[in-house]
Amino acid sequence: AQSVTQLGSHVSVSEGALVLLRCNYSSSVPPYLFWYVQYPNQGLQLLLKYTTGATLVKGINGFEAEFKKSETSFHLTKPSAHMSDAAEYFCAVSARDNFNKFYFGSGTKLNVKP
Amino acid sequence: KAGVTQTPRYLIKTRGQQVTLSCSPISGHRSVSWYQQTPGQGLQFLFEYFSETQRNKGNFPGRFSGRQFSNSRSEMNVSTLELGDSALYLCASSLVEMNTEAFFGQGTRLTVV
Repeated sequence: AQSVTQLGSHVSVSEGALVLLRCNYSSSVPPYLFWYVQYPNQGLQLLLKYTTGATLVKGINGFEAEFKKSETSFHLTKPSAHMSDAAEYFCAVSARDNFNKFYFGSGTKLNVKP
Repeated sequence: KAGVTQTPRYLIKTRGQQVTLSCSPISGHRSVSWYQQTPGQGLQFLFEYFSETQRNKGNFPGRFSGRQFSNSRSEMNVSTLELGDSALYLCASSLVEMNTEAFFGQGTRLTVV
């Protein structure tokens, strides 16, 4: 069975500050890993994903995440927050042999203060 | 190209009624998955369809069902609606090859009163 834990349901940062959203997963084998963003009354948009290869993954809007197998983590970072980054972020995993079935974390709402 | 289209965007139903939601995937995508999003339970997988066949199923009661047509469009049906079925229902489409991403629609907001 797979599960995803996102630490912190709400994170608040100042504009220009570092954004760090935490994600840990539980899986018997390393899964595929994803970060999605959701704006109010919208669907989910993929920020980045890790499937194979380089463990540091760069995504859209300046976000990146690093897969750390030893820590079973896939934390999302952005060096400098922008007001437009305020949204809810979801970490998700899928099994390598069942990759169209996602398990989502509970989400982290990011607030960016001016 | 056009994204994933879900209709209707908003729906209000009464307890005990049934409802059908529709999802048109991105052209060429043959896998369609459905998710329920609620404040309490978060995002939960309902089912996935590929080539008109249900390939994966989540832990939802039999009141939740779906189907996929030959053009890959999918519908999900919820019978005997309960207040707890109020949620945002999201559809995602993807290619079936590995290392591809799932594209989500904007969802259908269902309110059961």
